[in-house]
Amino acid sequence: DAGVTQSPTHLIKTRGQQVTLRCSPKSGHDTVSWYQQALGQGPQFIFQYYEEEERQRGNFPDRFSGHQFPNYSSELNVNALLLGDSALYLCASSAQIINSPLHFGNGTRLTVT
Amino acid sequence: GENVEQHPSTLSVQEGDSAVIKCTYSDSASNYFPWYKQELGKGPQLIIDIRSNVGEKKDQRIAVTLNKTAKHFSLHITETQPEDSAVYFCAASRRGSSNTGKLIFGQGTTLQVKP
Repeated sequence: DAGVTQSPTHLIKTRGQQVTLRCSPKSGHDTVSWYQQALGQGPQFIFQYYEEEERQRGNFPDRFSGHQFPNYSSELNVNALLLGDSALYLCASSAQIINSPLHFGNGTRLTVT
Repeated sequence: GENVEQHPSTLSVQEGDSAVIKCTYSDSASNYFPWYKQELGKGPQLIIDIRSNVGEKKDQRIAVTLNKTAKHFSLHITETQPEDSAVYFCAASRRGSSNTGKLIFGQGTTLQVKP
């Protein structure tokens, strides 16, 4: 049973560029959340997708956008990259049932130069 | 706003000793409190969670306690082993009838277990 898978594992971009990160949820899960984890910090909630719609959003600018596909996989897009966007981006999946825990992938390490 | 404070930031114990990590949350509507272990190069892994209608939960060497009045919750690891060395995160969330609550994480505790 595959867990949450993310691609790519590492990525280097230049300031001003755009990036797309991808996530496949754990089998049986239909909800995907994205988190940003800066070095030495706890993960911070970006947004959550369910039924192909953004359901909740954290305190992130509109440069951060997402999408969920009919097969429940998801993409995170970041436009006009800043140096401060360098972080580990984590995808987490869960099921829309009570008591379903959040399972995280191993993340995509984004470096902006 | 919503906030979770976690202490200590680093913790070093001898193998076989106990380790305790404490968290305080600000949102009184929080009702779900998971703990995650993160090893180098990996994503957070859920190790135990507790809901607000329970005061304590135990799973082998790991236990979590919750004091809703004080808005405190703690992770207790007994008989620590070198493989317990990792970064531990507490988190708090509001959960309704469905699983839509975002997690607010603490800053993390780096646990080192010396052989």
